[in-house]
Amino acid sequence: EVIMTQSPATLSVSPGERATLSCRASQSVSNNFAWYQQKPGQAPRLVIYGASTRATGMAARFSGSGSGTEFTLTISSLQSEDSAVYYCQQYNDWPLTFGQGTKVEI
Amino acid sequence: QVQLVQSGAEVKKPGASVKVSCRSSGYTFTSNAISWVRQAPGQGLEWMGWISGYNGNTNYAQKFRDRVTMTTDTSMTTAYLELRDLRSDDTAVYYCARVPNIVGAKHSDHWGQGTLVRVSS
Repeated sequence: EVIMTQSPATLSVSPGERATLSCRASQSVSNNFAWYQQKPGQAPRLVIYGASTRATGMAARFSGSGSGTEFTLTISSLQSEDSAVYYCQQYNDWPLTFGQGTKVEI
Repeated sequence: QVQLVQSGAEVKKPGASVKVSCRSSGYTFTSNAISWVRQAPGQGLEWMGWISGYNGNTNYAQKFRDRVTMTTDTSMTTAYLELRDLRSDDTAVYYCARVPNIVGAKHSDHWGQGTLVRVSS
C-alpha cells in the first residue's frame, strides 16, 4: 500500500502568518490527492482535492500544490479558526491511505 | 443540501457484531459511492472500504476483508457497515463519507457525523 508521511507533526503559527504543511507518498499518486481539515469533536472536512482544487466553501487562503510524491498545503494568512489537524490522502491506488496528520496550533 | 446521517453510538462485547447505518439525502444516491473511515481515540483516519451506490460493488481494505460487509438499500438511500468479531481495538468513531461523482475521484466530499462504537467486556 502507499504510505503517506506528513510533516511536521505539529506546527505552531501566529495569526496572519503563513503555514506550510507537507505530505510525501511512498510512490507516485499522480494528482489523485486530497487534504482534509478536522477540528476537535467534528468529522473531517474536505479542503483540497486533485492536489490543487479547493473544495466548495473553503476560503481562498487555502491552496494546494504538488504532484507525484510531494505535496504541500499552504494557508496564506492563518486565522484562529484554522486551528485543526490536517490529513492528506491518496486515492490513486487501493487501499486509499491517509497520512498521520499535522496539528496546526495558533 | 447533501447530508449523511449516521446511527447512534453502540457498546458491544468482544466477539459481537455491529451494524452502522448512514442515511443520505440531498443528492441522487445511486450516482455516488460511499467510503467508510474509522478513527480510534486520539488517532488518525483509517480507510476501511467503499461501496458503489449504483451497483453495490465493494472494495475493502485487506485488514478488514475477513470481518467487514458493506451494503446499501437504495430504496432507503442508506449505506450500512457491518463489522464482526469485534475486538477492543475496534473501539473508534466510524464515519461514512460520500465520494463525488467525478471521473477518477475517490476522495470524500461530504461526511457523516460519526458513530462511536465502543467494544468492552
